[in-house]
Amino acid sequence: DTEVTQTPKHLVMGMTNKKSLKCEQHMGHRAMYWYKQKAKKPPELMFVYSYEKLSINESVPSRFSPECPNSSLLNLHLHALQPEDSALYLCASSLGARSYNEQFFGPGTRLTVL
Amino acid sequence: AQSVTQPDIHITVSEGASLELRCNYSYGATPYLFWYVQSPGQGLQLLLKYFSGDTLVQGIKGFEAEFKRSQSSFNLRKPSVHWSDAAEYFCAVGPWSNDYKLSFGAGTTVTVRA
Repeated sequence: DTEVTQTPKHLVMGMTNKKSLKCEQHMGHRAMYWYKQKAKKPPELMFVYSYEKLSINESVPSRFSPECPNSSLLNLHLHALQPEDSALYLCASSLGARSYNEQFFGPGTRLTVL
Repeated sequence: AQSVTQPDIHITVSEGASLELRCNYSYGATPYLFWYVQSPGQGLQLLLKYFSGDTLVQGIKGFEAEFKRSQSSFNLRKPSVHWSDAAEYFCAVGPWSNDYKLSFGAGTTVTVRA
């Protein structure tokens, strides 16, 4: 299984809602990532988990809250988002959290904030 | 600071014609180099990567890339393009240090005409 799955595929939420994005992999990877991607732009790194511990937070606003319950799962909890947070949210995983490790990407969650 | 430049924002190519996408990087030492492809509405897929050794790298889907140290370039090529190659292509660079972070180029959109 060389797949990273993400749910939901699409999400529409209001600025007062609380929602969560989910990411799962069963490749035995110990590093997992959240990226934000705006249209026609490259992915921007948000968070990195290594061995289930948050190792990097790229100065992301607190309205985004990541969680790694176990080595296969990664969540992104959303609260009080702004319309400018509308984007494609990509999850990725790699064997380890080093730049030479190939990152496997999921298909993403298309988020719209109204 | 490392940077990645993809000079071509958009390339249109006829089906069956050859394709070359340019990538230049700026970094103190030769970094790890990657090419990713993103089809519409999808996540990113690794096409190929270069760490060291042979400067001509073969990847998936018939793509190859050539590393040229003197030009700080890592250009992607395909001899004969198929309509399914229409996508966004990202060059990415990872440092040799213990850092985890990939730096992505701005991307090149490839359109394939019949």
